[in-house]
Amino acid sequence: DSGVTQTPKHLITATGQRVTLRCSPRSGDLSVYWYQQSLDQGLQFLIQYYNGEERAKGNILERFSAQQFPDLHSELNLSSLELGDSALYFCASSVTGDSGANVLTFGAGSRLTVL
Amino acid sequence: GDSVTQMEGPVTLSEEAFLTINCTYTATGYPSLFWYVQYPGEGLQLLLKATKADDKGSNKGFEATYRKETTSFHLEKGSVQVSDSAVYFCALSSGNTPLVFGKGTRLSVIA
Repeated sequence: DSGVTQTPKHLITATGQRVTLRCSPRSGDLSVYWYQQSLDQGLQFLIQYYNGEERAKGNILERFSAQQFPDLHSELNLSSLELGDSALYFCASSVTGDSGANVLTFGAGSRLTVL
Repeated sequence: GDSVTQMEGPVTLSEEAFLTINCTYTATGYPSLFWYVQYPGEGLQLLLKATKADDKGSNKGFEATYRKETTSFHLEKGSVQVSDSAVYFCALSSGNTPLVFGKGTRLSVIA
């Protein structure tokens, strides 16, 4: 157990629907990162939050949004889902916002299947 | 932008064979370099890291040396075990930027 908790582990939904993925960071970590892992694109950085504020943005679609709450947990919202959104979504956390100096601790991922 | 290129897999080796997984990078400035490992059904775990040129990261028998002149960070292990079967990701971070990952290399070790 890495200390980063992601729910749900698996999710199957239909095109056009909306889902929310949840992440609780490791105790003491202030920064949360979201990554999408697909077979053809590999691991793609989506977005990072540090202590409730957006710190960095990557290849996140406009249909996707995220936030980090005062208790530091984070949610990734995916809307108007398309078949191509099927992927593993990973959350990671670190102590500070500097991923160069700090180790990222990853959760086990949420597998989303869009039918 | 920053990028990481690692050898395509899958790589299949017999137990006790020598392992090399190549990784090269493109980055502005002086990035930190990482190898992460993903075992089946799990999230990524840090395997080793190096933060400056000529640093050698090592863990669990794996090693990688930060080579600035060749912009490389190849992963090596002298004798692989079946339990090393996993997907290995090379990654970098420049300054405060989030990790950029390579596409991963799947390693299968057979007894």
